[in-house]
Order: sequence, then C-alpha cells, then structure tokens
Amino acid sequence: DAGITQSPRYKITETGRQVTLMCHQTWSHSYMFWYRQDLGHGLRLIYYSAAADITDKGEVPDGYVVSRSKTENFPLTLESATRSQTSVYFCASSEMRGIYEQYFGPGTRLTVT
Amino acid sequence: DAKTTQPPSMDCAEGRAANLPCNHSTISGNEYVYWYRQIHSQGPQYIIHGLKNNETNEMASLIITEDRKSSTLILPHATLRDTAVYYCIAGRGGGGADGLTFGKGTHLIIQP
Repeated sequence: DAGITQSPRYKITETGRQVTLMCHQTWSHSYMFWYRQDLGHGLRLIYYSAAADITDKGEVPDGYVVSRSKTENFPLTLESATRSQTSVYFCASSEMRGIYEQYFGPGTRLTVT
Repeated sequence: DAKTTQPPSMDCAEGRAANLPCNHSTISGNEYVYWYRQIHSQGPQYIIHGLKNNETNEMASLIITEDRKSSTLILPHATLRDTAVYYCIAGRGGGGADGLTFGKGTHLIIQP
C-alpha cells in the first residue's frame, strides 16, 4: 500500500549499541522528518531533509545521524544508544516546504536498556 | 510560530458534534491554523488547515474568527474512533527547521 512505513515497530537494544530506524514513503515527497515523542515533552524534531542528499538538524539532533541517498528513504541511526534515547520515534513526510501538512508513519518504540 | 492555547480535555457524546476551541491571539497575518490529532499509540494525523476563511473537508470543519485570534475545529458526528488528542498549531512553515511544534493539545473523549 502507498504511504509511509517505519521499521522496526518495536526495538529493544543495549546501551552503546548502534541502532538504525528505517523510514520509507511511496509518495515521492520531497520533505522528510524525524521526531521523537516523550512524556512531558511532546513531539520534538530531530532531523529533517528537504531532498535527497540534503539534511539539516532540528531541535534535538545530538546522538543521531541521518542520511538520504534516495528520495523515498530516510534512515535514522543512533550511533551509540543511551537510555535517554528511549522514546517513540516518528517519521513524517510532506510534499511542499512552508506548509504544515505532514504525514506521519506509525512510529517505532525504542527501549534502550 | 504563534503560541496556541487549548483546553486540556473535553467530553462529547457519540453522534453529537464535537467543537474543539483554540486560542491563537498572537497569530500573524501570514500564519495558518493547522489541526492534527493523535490516536493512542499512533502517529499524528493531519486533519485540516486554514488561513482566513472557514474550511471543510471529509473529516472536519474549521471555523476561524474574523480577527483570527481563535478557531474551532468541528467534528460533525463524533464516533468512538474520534477519541484522541487534538493539536492546534499556528504557523507558516518555511525558514529553518520545518518541523511541527505540538503543544499539549486537547484530549477529546467520545462517550458512548
């Protein structure tokens, strides 16, 4: 089905491990985003991308790395996971810049032990 | 982005219209009003947006006051599946990070 998907949906990892969360969209949207959602903080932007090979930091980028070699994929890597990165991660995409019509994936629940 | 204020929670009977208010008194002329909702354990879902005029789509209607300092999202015939947290966002996007800034939203509970 067309849309935006994330994998895995659930992940448990240990402190210090590298973890990659995948995001794939089938709309050919130019813009893609990664957010994390924690109790008490709401949604916070980690990184975003305006097009393939163009990425930029959001509000909370430390400890994360992104890449975008293809328009449809926007993986998020935790280089050395920490307990503070336990969260629900949402990927989103949008067709145009300057408007807020973003479409979100189902989320990845990550637990770092 | 302009700050928005929403009630923390609301109840509505199933089948009735749910009217969710939002205050955005500092909104500027080129900022839109957007509504999203988040059903438990799911990603946020775009509902509707508007600038000055009232807007309607298959999900909801958006009523914006003439002075644009407040708006109301209307779900015309609420169902149990409309139970969710509803977020009102005022902004124009563009420039720097284009991420959405979600506040605490309104937890709408549809009662059977």
